Amino acid sequence: KAGVTQTPRYLIKTRGQQVTLSCSPISGHRSVSWYQQTPGQGLQFLFEYFSETQRNKGNFPGRFSGRQFSNSRSEMNVSTLELGDSALYLCASSLGGQDNQPQHFGDGTRLSIL
Amino acid sequence: QQQVKQSPQSLIVQKGGISIINCAYENTAFDYFPWYQQFPGKGPALLIAIRPDVSEKKEGRFTISFNKSAKQFSLHIMDSQPGDSATYFCAAASGRYSGGGADGLTFGKGTHLIIQP
Repeated sequence: KAGVTQTPRYLIKTRGQQVTLSCSPISGHRSVSWYQQTPGQGLQFLFEYFSETQRNKGNFPGRFSGRQFSNSRSEMNVSTLELGDSALYLCASSLGGQDNQPQHFGDGTRLSIL
Repeated sequence: QQQVKQSPQSLIVQKGGISIINCAYENTAFDYFPWYQQFPGKGPALLIAIRPDVSEKKEGRFTISFNKSAKQFSLHIMDSQPGDSATYFCAAASGRYSGGGADGLTFGKGTHLIIQP
């Protein structure tokens, strides 16, 4: 079974631009979560989607948004990019539904802001 | 507020030894505690997870010990091998997705483990 696939793997943008990252979950998984990983703050939860609805949201500004499609694939968008948005953005998928289910991560998209 | 505190930040263990990483949490609503292993250039990979109804869980060379009253849990890697050299993260989450929702996984800051041959 294929794992979580994130595209692109690397991205370079400049301040003020916007960016869209893509995540394809493991087949059969309906929940997709997004995390930001930086050396200073570590791994931080951005938001989670289940059945095309945002179910949970972390403590990030509104510039960070996402959506999920009917095939469970998800996209994350960051608008008005800032230097501090440089990070590894990780997507994780799980079966979803009731109770915590194991989350499986992709290898991330490395976003660099110049 | 750092809800999951992980120690040590870095750890060097001889091949064949036992690696021990500790985590402490504050939020008593947490009821799911996974450990992840991350290699450079890769995403975190789930190693083992425990729920608070058991005090210990073992999978191969990896064991989680859980102390609910102390709000602490730890990862033990037995017979540590050079291939275990990686960054390890503990995490915690509160379970129920029914309406109230969960806040995703709350991660510790990570432990950089080096196994010397």
